Amino acid sequence: GEDVEQSLFLSVREGDSSVINCTYTDSSSTYLYWYKQEPGAGLQLLTYIFSNMDMKQDQRLTVLLNKKDKHLSLRIADTQTGDSAIYFCAESEGSQGNLIFGKGTKLSVKP
Amino acid sequence: DSGVTQTPKHLITATGQRVTLRCSPRSGDLSVYWYQQSLDQGLQFLIQYYNGEERAKGNILERFSAQQFPDLHSELNLSSLELGDSALYFCASSGRTGTPAEQYFGPGTRLTVT
Repeated sequence: GEDVEQSLFLSVREGDSSVINCTYTDSSSTYLYWYKQEPGAGLQLLTYIFSNMDMKQDQRLTVLLNKKDKHLSLRIADTQTGDSAIYFCAESEGSQGNLIFGKGTKLSVKP
Repeated sequence: DSGVTQTPKHLITATGQRVTLRCSPRSGDLSVYWYQQSLDQGLQFLIQYYNGEERAKGNILERFSAQQFPDLHSELNLSSLELGDSALYFCASSGRTGTPAEQYFGPGTRLTVT
């Protein structure tokens, strides 16, 4: 079945760039997503990319998609302490749009 | 604020009991999705409704059921509760079905079964 994998932890220094990686298995996924979850909060949609795109940039966020390798990455430029959170990669399943999530990457930003 | 509301925020109940979680989607959204987040299973899709009809089912137990009402709010009913049902339950809504779309999540209901 479909599976989404991402590393569990990432630690960076404030001001550096963060890169969170994800691999997925469903080649029919039309959209791929990044969500952010802060402690005790719900999931915030950060950005998403259509599967026929290679890159999408949105302010400090850059998403790269390598469809051949089924690899998705999220780059956060100039990472701030407020970016500390868990970041979830997700792929859409089938035509109904329900999401398959990875386990999440906990990003820690050190001052 | 995503525009999706969920009540209650916290729920503590005993094994064997039944609870109902409520979700109001963003204004204009027709699709409602329910997800469960637990430490061991992560985030899992449970069920989707579109304009009152069930559209997709995921890893939803037979003890769980859901419905979407004419005003588009949705309820998730969990019965014969077990300790392992303790989790965060999220509702998400989106504007369309048939094509993947942006899903906006509510703040969640934290269920603790004792």
